[in-house]
Amino acid sequence: DVKVTQSSRYLVKRTGEKVFLECVQDMDHENMFWYRQDPGLGLRLIYFSYDVKMKEKGDIPEGYSVSREKKERFSLILESASTNQTSMYLCASSLLSGHQPQHFGDGTRLSIL
Amino acid sequence: DQQVKQNSPSLSVQEGRISILNCDYTNSMFDYFLWYKKYPAEGPTFLISISSIKDKNEDGRFTVFLNKSAKHLSLHIVPSQPGDSAVYFCAASLIQGAQKLVFGQGTRLTINP
Repeated sequence: DVKVTQSSRYLVKRTGEKVFLECVQDMDHENMFWYRQDPGLGLRLIYFSYDVKMKEKGDIPEGYSVSREKKERFSLILESASTNQTSMYLCASSLLSGHQPQHFGDGTRLSIL
Repeated sequence: DQQVKQNSPSLSVQEGRISILNCDYTNSMFDYFLWYKKYPAEGPTFLISISSIKDKNEDGRFTVFLNKSAKHLSLHIVPSQPGDSAVYFCAASLIQGAQKLVFGQGTRLTINP
């Protein structure tokens, strides 16, 4: 079974802080993704990566950056947290070839005060 | 610009009856569609998918129908069970683009005993 692990289930940070969200997958997947989920908006793609050190912007990259130094690990960074980044953050991974379903972690509920 | 839309935020169905969840899309370049199920405090889990070259795919109690001319897909659950109560997301992807998924807003399905 694919396991996608997000380092924190709940996180509370202050405005202006630099925040790191970590995600690790154990299935040697090439693709990794970061989404945020907000009520009424579904899941929106922030960034994704199809290889180590490669990254692509998703639909809402502003205020975020990512890092992928190892294949199994994909980090989301909030450079200077703001209250409108309070959300549920979901990490996912998938194989590169063809149409493969994405496998999700259980999410990190981040509150910015 | 919401390319994938689920117009019903919620749906309530009697146990044993059919649940029908609907999804509309605007981009005719989407060629693969997926349904995910999400319980509270868990990440979305893949349920069923369909390629644009098909109009139906069935997996046990779950059937997905695709009407390309109407740019519409639906998920049928028969018979509905209490454990099916969850939020359902439809998603679409392009063959190009590292398998990015575009998600709908989600529909909360409640199965009443």
